[in-house]
Amino acid sequence: DAGITQSPRHKVTETGTPVTLRCHQTENHRYMYWYRQDPGHGLRLIHYSYGVKDTDKGEVSDGYSVSRSKTEDFLLTLESATSSQTSVYFCAISESGRANIQYFGAGTRLSVL
Amino acid sequence: QQQVKQSPQSLIVQKGGIPIINCAYENTAFDYFPWYQQFPGKGPALLIAIRPDVSEKKEGRFTISFNKSAKQFSLHIMDSQPGDSATYFCAASEDAYGNKLVFGAGTILRVKS
Repeated sequence: DAGITQSPRHKVTETGTPVTLRCHQTENHRYMYWYRQDPGHGLRLIHYSYGVKDTDKGEVSDGYSVSRSKTEDFLLTLESATSSQTSVYFCAISESGRANIQYFGAGTRLSVL
Repeated sequence: QQQVKQSPQSLIVQKGGIPIINCAYENTAFDYFPWYQQFPGKGPALLIAIRPDVSEKKEGRFTISFNKSAKQFSLHIMDSQPGDSATYFCAASEDAYGNKLVFGAGTILRVKS
């Protein structure tokens, strides 16, 4: 999966608890993304980063925050998890430039009970 | 509201058949249209992409047809094989670098041997 490691791969948590998902890349790519995948919705962008400490919101950012303190790491935090955040979360990376290609990690399956 | 509408939700074809997956969009600012392929338990991977200045693009057995006036694009898989069984997502971006992708809901393709 293109030098992308997502951790954990599976997590079960309870409503109201904080959760942090990690994405680590070894490709030194500038851009990093967090998506969620739900049946009937495809993939939806949560947040993305265009450089260290540079992040922006996607289409479904409410309830999520992100941080990128190093090129290789992009963290997604659910401050207080809700059942509606049960999903499969994918991290992606890309280089800058036209005709961009996003490379996806293997995903994290999160269940909020 | 889905910005990119994809159909059908699922598709079954015989080996050697030509499955066709269709996508439609409204946002005329979209100018990059990739297709992603996802196998169970894996992240999506870029299959083929097109920009609106061409009406067709072929890569191996995969062809994208693009109709700018109708705001529609489609994926054709020639001589389909059981190994093509996967979920296919169309996507679009108005970002010239293809960074902020909007995905269709996905099509589950099964190719019967």
